Amino acid sequence: EVQLVQSGAEVKKPGESLTISCRISGYIFTSSWISWVRQLPGKDLEWMGRIDPIDSYTYYSPSFQGHVTLSVDKSTSTASLQWSSLRASDTGMYYCAKRHCDNTACYFDYWGQGTLVTVSS
Amino acid sequence: DIQVTQSPSSLSASVGDRVTITCRASQNIDTYLNWYRQKPGKAPEVLIYAAISLHNGVPSRFSGGGSGTDFTLTISSLQPEDFAIYFCQQSYRTPWTFGRGTKVEIK
Repeated sequence: EVQLVQSGAEVKKPGESLTISCRISGYIFTSSWISWVRQLPGKDLEWMGRIDPIDSYTYYSPSFQGHVTLSVDKSTSTASLQWSSLRASDTGMYYCAKRHCDNTACYFDYWGQGTLVTVSS
Repeated sequence: DIQVTQSPSSLSASVGDRVTITCRASQNIDTYLNWYRQKPGKAPEVLIYAAISLHNGVPSRFSGGGSGTDFTLTISSLQPEDFAIYFCQQSYRTPWTFGRGTKVEIK
């Protein structure tokens, strides 16, 4: 059974650093890209970027480029999302998602349960 | 970025009703359009991919249509578990973008 299990909710202050994680099981970790998706309190979904677990090649959405860092640890089949300096506007729910591609399309076929990040002074 | 505009933003319907949600892309995206359902407190789950293909295990009351810039998601007979938020998402070009969601509420 494919599972993406995310780390627990976090409450942080502006300017603090944070890393959240997504532990993957049930398929070969290096076979699929992992994306991160933010959901704002008002429900909007935003794709942040993706990482290829084979070589850690990343692509960031311009909206998030330079503010977050994606990484993977192949030894533990874990993907991570890191901030070095949080802002109040980073408050939201963060999902990791597995990308599936075939001849017709690419889409997210499995999602983590989400990690709620609250940034407040 | 490719913009995807969903409508309506919300609708009220009853169990057994037929419901259609639309999604319009700001440019031609062929059939690179996916639909997700998000139940309260849960992560999104894929329903339809490549505009018309039903994902494994998704009930046949869900169907997708369209190509190019205009797409639809139809639920032929609403069930209690379908009262949720629905999102479309384009995978034609990065950055992948989502519609702003359609909330389906009980009338």
